[in-house]
Amino acid sequence: GAVVSQHPSRVICKSGTSVKIECRSLDFQATTMFWYRQFPKKSLMLMATSNEGSKATYEQGVEKDKFLINHASLTLSTLTVTSAHPEDSSFYICSAAGQQGGEQFFGPGTRLTVL
Amino acid sequence: QKEVEQNSGPLSVPEGAIASLNCTYSDRGSQSFFWYRQYSGKSPELIMSIYSNGDKEDGRFTAQLNKASQYVSLLIRDSQPSDSATYLCAVTRIGFQKLVFGTGTRLLVSP
Repeated sequence: GAVVSQHPSRVICKSGTSVKIECRSLDFQATTMFWYRQFPKKSLMLMATSNEGSKATYEQGVEKDKFLINHASLTLSTLTVTSAHPEDSSFYICSAAGQQGGEQFFGPGTRLTVL
Repeated sequence: QKEVEQNSGPLSVPEGAIASLNCTYSDRGSQSFFWYRQYSGKSPELIMSIYSNGDKEDGRFTAQLNKASQYVSLLIRDSQPSDSATYLCAVTRIGFQKLVFGTGTRLLVSP
């Protein structure tokens, strides 16, 4: 399958700071990228969908001003958690798809801990 | 009714047996069907994709799709302890790219 990378894999930050997570499709062009969050022993929760060059579409209940998504190219999307708080601590995972209805490939995830 | 339903398990099978995982979906407009495997603390990994009725085999894995009955299943032959994980069924609807996930079935393969 296709390869999707995420960086960093783990980050610890202080409350009130911002954290940027990068998601890259390494061997294919991703027309659409997705950002998920997963709490321990819970299901994946889709946060937003982003298409290259356009604004992200956020799921209901996800604050777009807090979770800034930029899909700068067909191989790179970033998620910035602004003014992070301890309740934002979670496992953030991106996925990428090359075509509508096609396979989505997940990155390895970023574990965020906000102190 | 949930859009995608799976038995949460755990499904326990002995090493070498066939594990059968099932999933039903409610939207007849669903067009693409996927099985992901997720180990604890890791991200999901795509195991199989299936788009048309029938069986699709890949190594020890076979996905089965029956659109009339709205179910999709995954068979794992010669189950290994390393297959112990949560298996997520996911579907997409025509015209949409979002994956709709089931809650996952936890599989335990005992040596």
